[in-house]
Amino acid sequence: DVKVTQSSRYLVKRTGEKVFLECVQDMDHENMFWYRQDPGLGLRLIYFSYDVKMKEKGDIPEGYSVSREKKERFSLILESASTNQTSMYLCASSFRGPSDEAFFGQGTRLTVV
Amino acid sequence: EDQVTQSPEALRLQEGESSSLNCSYTVSGLRGLFWYRQDPGKGPEFLFTLYSAGEEKEKERLKATLTKKESFLHITAPKPEDSATYLCAVQVTGRRALTFGSGTRLQVQP
Repeated sequence: DVKVTQSSRYLVKRTGEKVFLECVQDMDHENMFWYRQDPGLGLRLIYFSYDVKMKEKGDIPEGYSVSREKKERFSLILESASTNQTSMYLCASSFRGPSDEAFFGQGTRLTVV
Repeated sequence: EDQVTQSPEALRLQEGESSSLNCSYTVSGLRGLFWYRQDPGKGPEFLFTLYSAGEEKEKERLKATLTKKESFLHITAPKPEDSATYLCAVQVTGRRALTFGSGTRLQVQP
């Protein structure tokens, strides 16, 4: 089975802190994604990566950065956390190909106080 | 701009009462349409991919269909364990990531 593992299920951070969300996949997928999910807004793409050290901005990249030093690991960084970044964060991975179904991790619920 | 709209937002069914969820889309070029199931507090779980109009796929009590403008997820004789949020997403030509709808929250009562 494909496994996408996010390092934390729940996090509580203070405004202004630098926050790291980690994601690891075990299927040798080329693509990795970070989404955030908010009620009524669905899943919105923050960043994705299609290869090691390669990244592209998604629809809502402001206030976030990412790092992909190894193929299996994709990190989301909140440079200075703010209360409007309180959300559910979902990591996903997929093969680079026509059947690009994405497999998701269990999510990290981040609360910024 | 690519858009995905799901309806209804929420649906309550009695056990055994069949129904359909709708996903309508407006995109520049459809590469694939995906259905996911999401349980509370968990990540989405992949169900189906549909690639072309007229295609159908089935899994247990679920059947997904696709036209040029919309997709339906038909649920036949649902059970309480089918209660979840069902998400529709599209992949557009030239874009690796998926664009999601906001989901339909399904509750099946015994």
